[in-house]
Amino acid sequence: QQQVKQSPQSLIVQKGGISIINCAYENTAFDYFPWYQQFPGKGPALLIAIRPDVSEKKEGRFTISFNKSAKQFSLHIMDSQPGDSATYFCAASRGSGNTGKLIFGQGTTLQVKP
Amino acid sequence: EAGVAQSPRYKIIEKRQSVAFWCNPISGHATLYWYQQILGQGPKLLIQFQNNGVVDDSQLPKDRFSAERLKGVDSTLKIQPAKLEDSAVYLCASSLGTSGGRQYFGAGTRLSVL
Repeated sequence: QQQVKQSPQSLIVQKGGISIINCAYENTAFDYFPWYQQFPGKGPALLIAIRPDVSEKKEGRFTISFNKSAKQFSLHIMDSQPGDSATYFCAASRGSGNTGKLIFGQGTTLQVKP
Repeated sequence: EAGVAQSPRYKIIEKRQSVAFWCNPISGHATLYWYQQILGQGPKLLIQFQNNGVVDDSQLPKDRFSAERLKGVDSTLKIQPAKLEDSAVYLCASSLGTSGGRQYFGAGTRLSVL
């Protein structure tokens, strides 16, 4: 019930293409779904996050799509650039009076080819 | 604004030795987290502090791992004795509030146990 499953494990996209990473969760009590970006030798950094009261959130080239009934959410990177090459982690947590503990997915390594 | 500081960046020890990691969170952040990130996996929460107190240490191997947060600011994580399977990156993160929200990560300490 505490797992967050992420796919694919790795992804290669041409410059200008769309990168799509998917996550699924089981615990319906989760109410905060962030995506983190991690470059080699660095800690994860928050990219974008969504709460389940909306179905989509867009920030620049990054969009989260959220499907509450299917318990799935995905990250779309439009016009992918070589600088987007990194590892991406989805996560989920219960806030609102709970500890806010983040459960991370296994990660997706994205390579954007020039 | 200064980020989360961690030291050392790298550490190599032999099994059964002890090791300690240090973390200085962002000033004013009430919550501090220690994560273990094994190569190719997402971060896994080891322990979470709110100010001085521990709110979640359910996944901390307490027979060998210990952590403390001094005066609600800096924190140290210790492993004694280390095992081969402890080889990982140890990430420290902090957040402003006490019930979830954005977490800011340090660059981590890469531990190799030989």
